[in-house]
Parts: sequence; C-alpha cells; structure tokens
Amino acid sequence: AQSVAQPEDQVNVAEGNPLTVKCTYSVSGNPYLFWYVQYPNRGLQFLLKYITGDNLVKGSYGFEAEFNKSQTSFHLKKPSALVSDSALYFCAVRDGAHSSASKIIFGSGTRLSIRP
Amino acid sequence: EPEVTQTPSHQVTQMGQEVILRCVPISNHLYFYWYRQILGQKVEFLVSFYNNEISEKSEIFDDQFSVERPDGSNFTLKIRSTKLEDSAMYFCASRTPEGADHETQYFGPGTRLLVL
Repeated sequence: AQSVAQPEDQVNVAEGNPLTVKCTYSVSGNPYLFWYVQYPNRGLQFLLKYITGDNLVKGSYGFEAEFNKSQTSFHLKKPSALVSDSALYFCAVRDGAHSSASKIIFGSGTRLSIRP
Repeated sequence: EPEVTQTPSHQVTQMGQEVILRCVPISNHLYFYWYRQILGQKVEFLVSFYNNEISEKSEIFDDQFSVERPDGSNFTLKIRSTKLEDSAMYFCASRTPEGADHETQYFGPGTRLLVL
C-alpha cells in the first residue's frame, strides 16, 4: 500500500535561514512524488514533482526537493526562507506501477512558520 | 494561466439534503478527481474519473456519492443524503493525459461544505 509520512507537524524558521520540510514515502513500484502548498482558506497549489531523472528538482518560489531512493525520502528545501512562505505543506505520492488514473496519497501536512 | 474552478465556495445544508458540488476542470484535461479534507485532517481521495467512467474510488465514496460529467466542461459531485460527517472542504482536481505535465494534478480552490 502507498503511504506518505511527514514527521513534523510544525517547522519554525527565522527569515533568511534555510528551511527543510521532511517527507518519507512507501510504494511498491516507482514513486511519483509531489509537494503542494496550502495558504489559509485557499486550495492546494502545486510546487514541484519528481517523476524520473535528476534527483534534485526545482519548483516554484525558489523551493527544491531531493529524491533519495535509498532513504525513501523527498525532503522540501529552500536556501533562504521568506515570511510569505508560511503555509501548510503537503507531500504526496503516486505509485507509478498503478493505472495512470490512479489517486495520489497525501501526507498529514507540515505547518511552516517563518518569523521575521 | 488556466485554473480549475469550483462552485459554490461555501455551502451550508441540512442533514439528509442533497448537495451538488460543481467543478470546471482545465479545458484540455481528461482525468478528473475529487478529494476532501475534513477540518484539521489530511487530504483524502474520493474518486477518479476518466473516459466517462469511474476509474477508482475510495471506501469513503459509498452509494450516497456520485459523479457526473454532464457536458464538455463541468464535473460534479453529488451527495444524495448528507450526514454531519460529510462536513469538509471538497477539492476537485484535473490532469492532462500527455506532455511533460501529465502527472501533475491541478486543484481547484475547494468548496467548504457544512452539514447541520
């Protein structure tokens, strides 16, 4: 069965410092991995994805994530945090072995709080 | 930039009443999805829809739920007899079948449903 774990409910970082939001996954086939961000009272906004190729993927707003197959992780990172990055971040996975119409499974979310 | 849109943004209904949530997916997309997020909980998959039929559904998607694509643009979720526990934010998502972006599901802003 597919699953995603985000071990931290909340991450607090000072503005200008690097940030990391952790994610680990479990799938039986090849993982298709995603990060989404949710601002208050808004929908889910796509940030970036890993399907295949380079393990380091870059996305919107200066975010990047590194796929690590041996550690089954896909941590989200940003070199220098902004106050405007404060939001709820969701990691998600789809099992590439399943039908292309298949669902994605979301983690429980990590609230990122950037203090000025 | 094309977006998934959803109406209404908020809906309040009495227990036992029928509700229809509407979504307009991105125009060239062919895979459609409904997810829901109960307040404070993770985003959960409900159903996927492709080629005018349900591809996959979760345990949550019981006989009280149905989906339909009544015309070339709308994709609806109907709950026949709402229960208190159906109160949640409902997200529609869509995906293109081809191209570099074909694995990314794009989400609408959501409909917040409150069942009294």
